[in-house]
Amino acid sequence: AQSVAQPEDQVNVAEGNPLTVKCTYSVSGNPYLFWYVQYPNRGLQFLLKYITGDNLVKGSYGFEAEFNKSQTSFHLKKPSALVSDSALYFCAVRDPSRSYQLTFGKGTKLSVIP
Amino acid sequence: SQTIHQWPATLVQPVGSPLSLECTVEGTSNPNLYWYRQAAGRGLQLLFYSVGIGQISSEVPQNLSASRPQDRQFILSSKKLLLSDSGFYLCAWAVSTDTQYFGPGTRLTVL
Repeated sequence: AQSVAQPEDQVNVAEGNPLTVKCTYSVSGNPYLFWYVQYPNRGLQFLLKYITGDNLVKGSYGFEAEFNKSQTSFHLKKPSALVSDSALYFCAVRDPSRSYQLTFGKGTKLSVIP
Repeated sequence: SQTIHQWPATLVQPVGSPLSLECTVEGTSNPNLYWYRQAAGRGLQLLFYSVGIGQISSEVPQNLSASRPQDRQFILSSKKLLLSDSGFYLCAWAVSTDTQYFGPGTRLTVL
């Protein structure tokens, strides 16, 4: 069965510093990987995805993620954090053999401190 | 461009009452549609998905049901709500099996 782990419930970073939100996954085949962001009482917004190709994926709002097959990781990164980046971040994986389903991590709360 | 609507935005219902949440998508045809529930502990649980009119797959047996009466309409229902049905309900759509896009959600509180 596919699974996603976000090992940190909360990440605190100072404004202007680089940020990393960690994600590891487990699937039986080649993974499709996604990052979403959720602001309070709002739906999830799509940030970026990895299907195949370049291991460094660029997405919305200056975010990027690095796919590492050997470490089964897909960490979300941003070179310089903004206070407005404070939100809940979800990593998700889709097993190609179960095409209609995404499995989500439990989420990581990012707080950017002014 | 595509948009997804959910209503109501907030709902407070007594235990044992019925439920109907609606989701509609504009700007696309024959989307896959999904219902998720997000509990207070953050995690998202897939409840139902649909690949076409009248085609519903249930992921977790529970007190809820779903229907898709029209191509871009997805309804989540219950005949009798339980306290454990409280949560944040999210609808999502996708074209084929690609990226899922989420609606604004409905906050349901069962008292």
